[in-house]
Amino acid sequence: DTEVTQTPKHLVMGMTNKKSLKCEQHMGHRAMYWYKQKAKKPPELMFVYSYEKLSINESVPSRFSPECPNSSLLNLHLHALQPEDSALYLCASSRQWNVYTEAFFGQGTRLTVV
Amino acid sequence: GENVEQHPSTLSVQEGDSAVIKCTYSDSASNYFPWYKQELGKRPQLIIDIRSNVGEKKDQRIAVTLNKTAKHFSLHITETQPEDSAVYFCAASKPKTSYDKVIFGPGTSLSVIP
Repeated sequence: DTEVTQTPKHLVMGMTNKKSLKCEQHMGHRAMYWYKQKAKKPPELMFVYSYEKLSINESVPSRFSPECPNSSLLNLHLHALQPEDSALYLCASSRQWNVYTEAFFGQGTRLTVV
Repeated sequence: GENVEQHPSTLSVQEGDSAVIKCTYSDSASNYFPWYKQELGKRPQLIIDIRSNVGEKKDQRIAVTLNKTAKHFSLHITETQPEDSAVYFCAASKPKTSYDKVIFGPGTSLSVIP
């Protein structure tokens, strides 16, 4: 299984809503990532989890709250988002013990904030 | 921090011709250089990668070259086909003890004209 699965595929939410994005992988990867991608731009790193611990927070606003409940799951909790947060949110994972690692991306959640 | 530049931003070629995309990186400690292809509405997918101890790597119609001294690396696609049309991202990363932080270039939109 070389899949990273993200749900939902599409999400429309109001600025006062609370929602969560989910990501799952069963490749035994111990590093998991959240990226944000705007149209015609490269993926932009938000968070890195290593062995279920938050290792990198790229100065992301607190309205985005990541969570890694176990080695296979990664969540991104959303609260009080702004319209400019509308983007494709990509989850990725990679192996821990190999210095040179391929990141496997999920299909993404296309988020629209209204 | 690492900065990756990529040229051209758009590239249009006739089917069967070759396409070349060039990237430069700023951090001499970077030693892993993946290339990702992202079709419209799809996830980024690794197509080829190269490590800093290798100067060239080829996989069928795709090849990557690396000049560590000049901090340049390039993607070469030969005998292009319409299905090669996509956005291509180069990237650079440094070894970490438990995870990789991949820095993407801004992307090249390749169009292959039948």
